[in-house]
This record gives sequence, structure tokens and C-alpha cells, in this order.
Amino acid sequence: AQKVTQAQTEISVVEKEDVTLDCVYETRDTTYYLFWYKQPPSGELVFLIRRNSFDEQNEISGRYSWNFQKSTSSFNFTITASQVVDSAVYFCALSEGINTGTASKLTFGTGTRLQVTL
Amino acid sequence: DVKVTQSSRYLVKRTGEKVFLECVQDMDHENMFWYRQDPGLGLRLIYFSYDVKMKEKGDIPEGYSVSREKKERFSLILESASTNQTSMYLCASSRDSLPDTQYFGPGTRLTVL
Repeated sequence: AQKVTQAQTEISVVEKEDVTLDCVYETRDTTYYLFWYKQPPSGELVFLIRRNSFDEQNEISGRYSWNFQKSTSSFNFTITASQVVDSAVYFCALSEGINTGTASKLTFGTGTRLQVTL
Repeated sequence: DVKVTQSSRYLVKRTGEKVFLECVQDMDHENMFWYRQDPGLGLRLIYFSYDVKMKEKGDIPEGYSVSREKKERFSLILESASTNQTSMYLCASSRDSLPDTQYFGPGTRLTVL
């Protein structure tokens, strides 16, 4: 069965600190996709990134970066120079059901709440 | 711009009532999903639909049903609401059978008294 583990329930940092959110996944699929979503206090999940299992290159987008390592089944997310606006719950998710003829479903982790203070 | 809307942000119902949660997407997406979100449990899939009138159970379908009569609209139905269905309900849509990105609505916080 698919599983996504976000062991960090809650993280508190001071603005301008770097912070890494961990994500470990389990799957028997050889082809799969990983996602990160942000849920600010308003409640709506905002898509951040999608990465397929064949692409292990790290990705950087502004202050955000992602480190995908198949050898350790991890897809970690780093925020550099954190800001108060980064305060949110962050979810990691794993796709399943590829090419079944129906929709591909996502398995979500339990989320990490990030609190950035001044 | 991608847009998923949900009929209510907050809803309060009584035990035993029939409850309808509506979701509409304007992106012509084939797939639509209903999740519930509870503290410490993350998002759990209730039902999903990959085409009009087609539906499949997710991980926690008990106590819920769904309806998709039109491509853009996906309804979640609580036939007889119970207090353990108090939760945040999130609707999402995606483009096709490949693992395309799911886009989410703002959520409906349902309280069953």
C-alpha cells in the first residue's frame, strides 16, 4: 500500500532562518509522482511542485527548493530565508493508479505545520 | 486561471439531516475528488469521479454518496449526517488519467450538531 510520512508535526522558526520539511514515501510502483501543497490559514490547498520518479534533479524556485532521493524514498522541501507569509501547513503527496483507466489518486501525508515568527 | 468553487465555506447541520456539498470547476477537467481533512489525519479520499456519471469509492466512503450529472459539478451527499462527519471537506479536480496536478477549492467546514 502507498504511504507518505511527514514525521514533523509542527516546526517553529524565526524569520530568515532556513527550514527543511521532510517527506518519506512508500510505493511498489516504478512510475509515480510526488507533490507538495501549501495550505495557508485561509484553508485552500495551493499546488507547489510535481516531480516524477524518473527525474531526480533537485529543483529550485526562488526561496523554495526540493531534494528528491529515490535511494532513501525522500522528497524534502527547503525554504531559504523563511518569511512570516510562509506560515502554513505543508502536505506531501504521492500519486497512485497510473494507467488504470480511471483517475490517478493521491495519498497525502499528515502535514507539517510551519510557524514563522518575527 | 484554474478555479474550483465550493458552495459554502461554513455549514452547520443537525444530526440526521441530509446534507449536500456542491463543487464546481471551470477548467473542463475530467476528474473530480472529495476529501475530508481532520487534524492529525491529513487528507483522506472519500469518493472520486473520472467522467460524468462515473464514480469510485475512495478510502472512507461509508456514510457518503456522490453525484456527477454534469462534467463541471460534483456533489457530495451525507444521507443522514452524524456528529463524526464534522470536518473540513475539500473538493479538487484534475485533467486526465495521468497523475496531473489536482487543484483544490477553498473547503467547506461542516459542523454537525
